[in-house]
Amino acid sequence: DADVTQTPRNRITKTGKRIMLECSQTKGHDRMYWYRQDPGLGLRLIYYSFDVKDINKGEISDGYSVSRQAQAKFSLSLESAIPNQTALYFCATSDWTDNQPQHFGDGTRLSIL
Amino acid sequence: GQQVMQIPQYQHVQEGEDFTTYCNSSTTLSNIQWYKQRPGGHPVFLIQLVKSGEVKKQKRLTFQFGEAKKNSSLHITATQTTDVGTYFCAVDYGQNFVFGPGTRLSVLP
Repeated sequence: DADVTQTPRNRITKTGKRIMLECSQTKGHDRMYWYRQDPGLGLRLIYYSFDVKDINKGEISDGYSVSRQAQAKFSLSLESAIPNQTALYFCATSDWTDNQPQHFGDGTRLSIL
Repeated sequence: GQQVMQIPQYQHVQEGEDFTTYCNSSTTLSNIQWYKQRPGGHPVFLIQLVKSGEVKKQKRLTFQFGEAKKNSSLHITATQTTDVGTYFCAVDYGQNFVFGPGTRLSVLP
């Protein structure tokens, strides 16, 4: 969805570097999510936020942190990148109630050497 | 933790053949969603099923929720090359959202 924008789209960096992936949305949704996608493993939830003051760990939060700067912005940080964090990262949003569809950004392809 | 399984992992079909992917859970589900991801793209929401035994259709796609609400299926009739991609089921557990590993569909012209 063009309403969910991720930056950068691609990033190559070295082990040990700090990296921030950013996500912004114009859909007015309260809920935002960060996923990583690896071949054969589908999408795995890293962190999610139901509103600006709410941050929750997902299935694979170790090595990652997030910040919800505003309703429209949710950033993902890798404090000290390692090669097995090489993956495709997606941000998604959904409306404020349960059982709503998720709307995804175009993804950030991250390679850590 | 909550897990959602999908089979098959891959499916290659000739254009015009039918295709089915299955999603299974060990626990009773309140709902299930289906997404499609084209190669190089992002997941796109297709449909949500909520009721036991529910069947929904979108043109050549038929979605079904099992009577026990522990499984679901997506069936495509007469596949076309535009159906190529990975199909994911996903479950909203309220405090967590879990995707299945997906079924990758290839359609040979």
